Amino acid sequence: GQQLNQSPQSMFIQEGEDVSMNCTSSSIFNTWLWYKQDPGEGPVLLIALYKAGELTSNGRLTAQFGITRKDSFLNISASIPSDVGIYFCAGQPRDTDKLIFGTGTRLQVFP
Amino acid sequence: DSGVTQTPKHLITATGQRVTLRCSPRSGDLSVYWYQQSLDQGLQFLIQYYNGEERAKGNILERFSAQQFPDLHSELNLSSLELGDSALYFCASSVTGKTEAFFGQGTRLTVV
Repeated sequence: GQQLNQSPQSMFIQEGEDVSMNCTSSSIFNTWLWYKQDPGEGPVLLIALYKAGELTSNGRLTAQFGITRKDSFLNISASIPSDVGIYFCAGQPRDTDKLIFGTGTRLQVFP
Repeated sequence: DSGVTQTPKHLITATGQRVTLRCSPRSGDLSVYWYQQSLDQGLQFLIQYYNGEERAKGNILERFSAQQFPDLHSELNLSSLELGDSALYFCASSVTGKTEAFFGQGTRLTVV
């Protein structure tokens, strides 16, 4: 099925470091969402973006809707052990109501 | 708690059987999405409903079908089950289908 390209695939970082991940698409998106998923659980919404260029923060998390409307990034500052999990971007293409997910970024944080 | 309820939480069944997964959306949400997530894989979009009507379709197998009822709950029916259908099945809901979507805890289906 159709998926967004998300990178990196995995990250191993030390507690306190900043993290950056991004998502790209070949088509224009109207909406970008970022989720975190713990093993065996449902994805939890972190940030929602609706306008090109929009920059939104949620605590230590910051996400941006790319100007071209074909990409988005998520930054996590000063990582902590509970940030461990899989982060997914999701987007809604301009011409459909489908909500398509990226391939995920697996984050490991070491003390 | 996202407000989206999925039942059952776990389901074990044999190949060839048919099962029904149920989803109750958040209060006020008109749109429901279904996703399949195989082990260590991403979320594959199956189908979306808005106010009882099918709105968007992904790579949903012909053996699978879904519907959204007048009270807005949704059911995903999986028939002629195969071993490869073992996965987590998630439901999500949103107000309009064009806003943020909230996920349930999923149903873990194991086909033996």
